[in-house]
Amino acid sequence: DIQMTQSPSTLSASVGDRVTITCRASQNIGNWLAWYQQRPGKAPKVLIYRTSTLKSGVPSRFSGSGSGTEFTLTISSLQPDDFATYYCQQHVTYPLTFAEGTTVAIK
Amino acid sequence: QLQLQESGPGLVKPSETLSLTCTVSGASMNNPSYYWGWIRQTPGKGLEWIGSISYSVSPSGNTYYNPSLQSRVTISVDTSKSQFSLRVTSMTAADTAIYYCGNYDSNAFIIDTWGQGILVTVSS
Repeated sequence: DIQMTQSPSTLSASVGDRVTITCRASQNIGNWLAWYQQRPGKAPKVLIYRTSTLKSGVPSRFSGSGSGTEFTLTISSLQPDDFATYYCQQHVTYPLTFAEGTTVAIK
Repeated sequence: QLQLQESGPGLVKPSETLSLTCTVSGASMNNPSYYWGWIRQTPGKGLEWIGSISYSVSPSGNTYYNPSLQSRVTISVDTSKSQFSLRVTSMTAADTAIYYCGNYDSNAFIIDTWGQGILVTVSS
């Protein structure tokens, strides 16, 4: 299985801050990396796939980059709606695997 | 618009079998590009993909399972009812989780649509 890890596990930030989350894969996954946002009590929602392609309707303040084994999710200017938990997932092969998540909390 | 809804028991006894159903609306389950899957979420292990099924001419569909659960899991589909199901045998406390059904397509194995989730607790 491809193991996915994220850092940090938690970060505190303020509205307007630029936030970056890192995701690493245990082996080369090319650009087959997705990011999800999950709010408390809700199912995850996909934000980005293939490293940098935004799903329709996702604000442009979200962006993704990277390749191979290291990837980042950047929120250019944190908004109140963005306080949530973010997960990366490799979508190159079965079993599909997720990292443990990063919670973005209000500072 | 595609919508998914899980149903099933919220409480299962240790060693028993869990059966969950996901009802699909807003899309045809007969589309061979669609995959219908189950994912669970626990505080300890986070999000875990359990397995998926895709439509095929075979009544049982094409199934794909997480090797960590494969010996205990069966996913099946009933297109006439627009439903797919999950069966997990020999449940233990470690299987206590929120179980989600989800959908993705063959272009990118990302879970595009999720059900609302159902909390399943394993306890005597």
